[in-house]
Amino acid sequence: DQQVKQNSPSLSVQEGRISILNCDYTNSMFDYFLWYKKYPAEGPTFLISISSIKDKNEDGRFTVFLNKSAKHLSLHIVPSQPGDSAVYFCAARSRDNFNKFYFGSGTKLNVKP
Amino acid sequence: NAGVMQNPRHLVRRRGQEARLRCSPMKGHSHVYWYRQLPEEGLKFMVYLQKENIIDESGMPKERFSAEFPKEGPSILRIQQVVRGDSAAYFCASSPLASTNTGELFFGEGSRLTVL
Repeated sequence: DQQVKQNSPSLSVQEGRISILNCDYTNSMFDYFLWYKKYPAEGPTFLISISSIKDKNEDGRFTVFLNKSAKHLSLHIVPSQPGDSAVYFCAARSRDNFNKFYFGSGTKLNVKP
Repeated sequence: NAGVMQNPRHLVRRRGQEARLRCSPMKGHSHVYWYRQLPEEGLKFMVYLQKENIIDESGMPKERFSAEFPKEGPSILRIQQVVRGDSAAYFCASSPLASTNTGELFFGEGSRLTVL
């Protein structure tokens, strides 16, 4: 039962343009969302997060948008850089269980120079 | 570098053997999580432990898998009588608190298990 879904397995973007990675969820109890970035042969690293009380959080080139009514969040990277090429995982945590983070299947971003 | 340390990075086992994966959390972290990533899939929660306690093992297969986090030493994920379907990357993560404001987990580089 996939409660966090990333329907695009891959995305290719030209350097300098915007990258938009999407994530959908099904559990209305989710109240905290995170994006992780993963390079090959490394563990995921935290990128940015957003609480359900907000609809936007920005950190430098990275912005996460949350649409609770649509149960959808997105990560915008602008401008995209070749070093951003990695797999991006969306994750969510439920307000009734802080222990468990649910991850999507990831989107592989390729930023072309 | 006081990051999350996992070993071995690569482990090859034949069907029926045992696999032991070790994880040392970041300094000061007392909460450990194990996740499994199957090929072409996302990270699947397996178990959450604090020192000497299993808090949530709802993601652990009912048989052959066990985890511990003793008072001294690393956390161990043990897989008995491995089968080919156990081949995956196993990631350990740690956090200082179960319900931190950031909710950030710090991941190790993973242990890749291959079952022949």
